[in-house]
Parts: sequence; C-alpha cells; structure tokens
Amino acid sequence: NAGVTQTPKFQVLKTGQSMTLQCAQDMNHNSMYWYRQDPGMGLRLIYYSASEGTTDKGEVPNGYNVSRLNKREFSLRLESAAPSQTSVYFCASSEPAPGTQYFGPGTRLLVL
Amino acid sequence: RKEVEQDPGPFNVPEGATVAFNCTYSNSASQSFFWYRQDCRKEPKLLMSVYSSGNEDGRFTAQLNRASQYISLLIRDSKLSDSATYLCVAYYGGSQGNLIFGKGTKLSVKP
Repeated sequence: NAGVTQTPKFQVLKTGQSMTLQCAQDMNHNSMYWYRQDPGMGLRLIYYSASEGTTDKGEVPNGYNVSRLNKREFSLRLESAAPSQTSVYFCASSEPAPGTQYFGPGTRLLVL
Repeated sequence: RKEVEQDPGPFNVPEGATVAFNCTYSNSASQSFFWYRQDCRKEPKLLMSVYSSGNEDGRFTAQLNRASQYISLLIRDSKLSDSATYLCVAYYGGSQGNLIFGKGTKLSVKP
C-alpha cells in the first residue's frame, strides 16, 4: 500500500519552461489537493478536487492548472515556470472525515 | 480573514522535558482542529485531532479553548524522536479545501 506518490522528487527548470507534477493515491479517496510550502509561509492550497471530474481553486492558483485524470490521479501543470514558483509541492488526499489528509513525499522545484 | 498563528520557535528542550505549544485562530467559525507533525524535508503527517473536551494520546495532550480561540499541544517526557515541526490546522467546514495550516512550531529535543 503506497499511499500517496509523487513524481518527480526533484526538478530544475528554466524560466518559461513547462512541466507537470504527477500525483497518485491508492486509498480510494475522493478528495485530492495540491499545496506549496515556502519558508516562512507555511502550506498554501493551490487547487483541490472534491471528486473525480471536479476541481476548484485554492488560495494561490495563479500560474497553475490541474487535471483530475481519474479517481487515483491528480496532476499539477506549470505552463510557463517563474522563479516565484520555486517551492516544495505536496499532493494530498483525504477521507471524508475533515482534517485527515495524507500527504505525498513532495516535489522540490527550482526555477532559475 | 481566516488565519492560524503559531510561535515559530525553535523550542530547544532537553530529553525528558515537558513542552507546550499554543496556536491561535482568527475566525470563530472554525469547526475542527488538528495537529500535524512534519519532520525535516518530509511530508506533514496527522498527529492528532483536537476535541473540545481535550484529548490525550500517550505523551501528547491536545486542548481547545473556544472562548479564547486557542489550541494547545502538550508533550510530556520529550524524546529525541519528537524533534520536528508541529503544524496547527483549522477546518472551517464545507468542502475539504477549507483547511488552514499554521506556519508551524519547530521543536528540537537535545540529549
């Protein structure tokens, strides 16, 4: 039982390049989330998906797009990376009980 | 505005010490509260929920004071393995997107 997996673990991009961060969960959860974590800022929600086929903006959605491909997978796309998007990105999924979220190991992204 | 405020620390304590963290929240509409633990360069993991009556899980005790809008986490008999950052989290109801994370309090337990 892998829980929540994320790929890649690390990535270096140049400004303007695009990339997709992949996330998958095997816990049959309906809800999935993308967060970014920056020093001194804590975890901030980028996008979330309450169920397959639905997505909603979080606190900091600008510069990102998401796709809920199926119940297991939720991807985050940076169309034109900017240095301000240098961060650690976490994917999470949750049970119906509020507050119980399971996080993936994170993707460390550096945009030069 | 919905905010969760924590003292960033670091709290440096010797093994065996008792340490307490407080967290305040700004919006009284918050319904539920949680403590997450995050080890260095790792993902956050749920430590425990916080109930109005207070709850205990081994060496960890969480309490909620709705009148004063603060949550506390008490760790007794600290272990080296307790060294981590502790995140206070508030849930405001509605969709699952309504979780607000504090910035975390860093604990370092020394031998």
